[in-house]
Amino acid sequence: DAKTTQPPSMDCAEGRAANLPCNHSTISGNEYVYWYRQIHSQGPQYIIHGLKNNETNEMASLIITEDRKSSTLILPHATLRDTAVYYCIVRAPRSNDYKLSFGAGTTVTVRA
Amino acid sequence: DSGVTQTPKHLITATGQRVTLRCSPRSGDLSVYWYQQSLDQGLQFLIQYYNGEERAKGNILERFSAQQFPDLHSELNLSSLELGDSALYFCASSESGTGLSGNTIYFGEGSWLTVV
Repeated sequence: DAKTTQPPSMDCAEGRAANLPCNHSTISGNEYVYWYRQIHSQGPQYIIHGLKNNETNEMASLIITEDRKSSTLILPHATLRDTAVYYCIVRAPRSNDYKLSFGAGTTVTVRA
Repeated sequence: DSGVTQTPKHLITATGQRVTLRCSPRSGDLSVYWYQQSLDQGLQFLIQYYNGEERAKGNILERFSAQQFPDLHSELNLSSLELGDSALYFCASSESGTGLSGNTIYFGEGSWLTVV
């Protein structure tokens, strides 16, 4: 699976949109981009994933650049409960090795 | 609620002892994964099972072992415990072969193990 690069931390104001960047310049054509988050000491929570089209669900939006070398996770209206470590992971869907490899992620702090 | 159930939630045991952590995957999921997260450490992949068979192995110590049973629940056995084994242990599950969905992995809430 391709490696990802994320900023180590970022702050966001409550009620504002949080835009979390992720660089995955070595991504292959069949690799998906996944986003998870981990609120302190809880189990990682799936947020969203995409292949090449932009995706939106009730939690967030995922914007993938046309060349697929980077993506942005958007939390449209951040709340204090969105404070967490956010992980961007690239993974092929049909590999025999299905595991997710977590990096350091981005620690997002939402401030009132 | 991810649908992945882990027991026990908390466990305190002494060095040298053996413990078993249990995981029930989401209904219909065939793959189970185990991860370890020590204090201030990242999530480390330990092992994966698919439909009862070991599929992938990560940084799992020889003192640790796992299995997946015919009903698809899984157990992680930790033996000869050391202080450094104190950590959060997560189980996760996914269905398999669903390329269109990207085979999303869902995590349980973890089992806190404290070795004293």
